[in-house]
Amino acid sequence: SQKIEQNSEALNIQEGKTATLTCNYTNYSPAYLQWYRQDPGRGPVFLLLIRENEKEKRKERLKVTFDTTLKQSLFHITASQPADSATYLCALDSNYQLIWGAGTKLIIKP
Amino acid sequence: KAGVTQTPRYLIKTRGQQVTLSCSPISGHRSVSWYQQTPGQGLQFLFEYFSETQRNKGNFPGRFSGRQFSNSRSEMNVSTLELGDSALYLCASSWGTGGGSTEAFFGQGTRLTVV
Repeated sequence: SQKIEQNSEALNIQEGKTATLTCNYTNYSPAYLQWYRQDPGRGPVFLLLIRENEKEKRKERLKVTFDTTLKQSLFHITASQPADSATYLCALDSNYQLIWGAGTKLIIKP
Repeated sequence: KAGVTQTPRYLIKTRGQQVTLSCSPISGHRSVSWYQQTPGQGLQFLFEYFSETQRNKGNFPGRFSGRQFSNSRSEMNVSTLELGDSALYLCASSWGTGGGSTEAFFGQGTRLTVV
């Protein structure tokens, strides 16, 4: 069955450093992969979408890579700030739905 | 421009009761999806509607149902509530044909507690 894995343990990063989050998937060949941010008690907020034929996508301090051979996406936040602390979710498309990873909690320490 | 609106925000129900949750998508969006989110489980897909047609359904029992109206507003219903139905229910809308090719815009969610 299709499976998406994100690091379930919280990731602690020092302010100013680059945070790197991982999303791995199996039994699956998505055409699109998306990353979202979710704060406690709120709905997810879209960050970036990358297509299967794109290797990398950037938006301000954010960068996403998509390796369809490794079946992996990496999400980077450069020059991280305490305000970046949140849970980050990856999602892949499948038949008019998004299949979600459980998310990685990112904590940026001042 | 108004975002996705979900009502009510909080709900407490008793086991065995039924509940209806409402979602108003962003104007112009025709795709509406529903998700259940519980701690440690991530977002579990319930169903997706496009122009009043259910295009996909997740692996949930028949107690969970939904519909979409001609104005794209959507409702989901849960009958015979169980304690395990306690969760945050999220609605998301998107442009065009929906699916994973476009970003999803989420509402604040409805926090359902079953006692």
